[in-house]
Amino acid sequence: AQSVTQPDIHITVSEGASLELRCNYSYGATPYLFWYVQSPGQGLQLLLKYFSGDTLVQGIKGFEAEFKRSQSSFNLRKPSVHWSDAAEYFCAVGVRRGSQGNLIFGKGTKLSVKP
Amino acid sequence: NAGVTQTPKFQVLKTGQSMTLQCAQDMNHNSMYWYRQDPGMGLRLIYYSASEGTTDKGEVPNGYNVSRLNKREFSLRLESAAPSQTSVYFCATVQEYNSPLHFGNGTRLTVT
Repeated sequence: AQSVTQPDIHITVSEGASLELRCNYSYGATPYLFWYVQSPGQGLQLLLKYFSGDTLVQGIKGFEAEFKRSQSSFNLRKPSVHWSDAAEYFCAVGVRRGSQGNLIFGKGTKLSVKP
Repeated sequence: NAGVTQTPKFQVLKTGQSMTLQCAQDMNHNSMYWYRQDPGMGLRLIYYSASEGTTDKGEVPNGYNVSRLNKREFSLRLESAAPSQTSVYFCATVQEYNSPLHFGNGTRLTVT
């Protein structure tokens, strides 16, 4: 069965420090992978996506993610975290249902940023 | 350009009451989804509609019904609300399956 695992429920980093949020997926076919961010009281906003090609993808707000097929991972990184990055982050894999599809979400990682 | 609009933003129900959550999109997308979000559970799919006139169950459909009224609108109905349905509900749309979802801002529902 398809699934997405985000091993870290809550991470705290200092402002200016680097960040890596982990994501592992289970899906038999070529995955379509996404990272979304959710600020409190808001809907989800797409950070970046991977469909094919270059395994290092760039997103908005200075985020990037690297797809590693051998490790079934799609970790999110940022070299220097800003206080405004405090939010909850969700990894998702796109799965096909007939001619359409759906996203399977991980349970999320909450990021807190220390001044 | 409003994108995906959900109404209401907040709702409190008593156990056994019914209500309908509304979702409308102006993005001309084919597919629409209803998710619920609970702390520590991520987002779980309730129902989805691949196109106008079709609906399918997702991961957690029990206690809910949906209607895809037209291409723009996709409603979620709770016939007899239960405290376990206290959650934040998100509607989302997508043009095709490998495209990113576009989310509404959510409806926060409390059932007492």
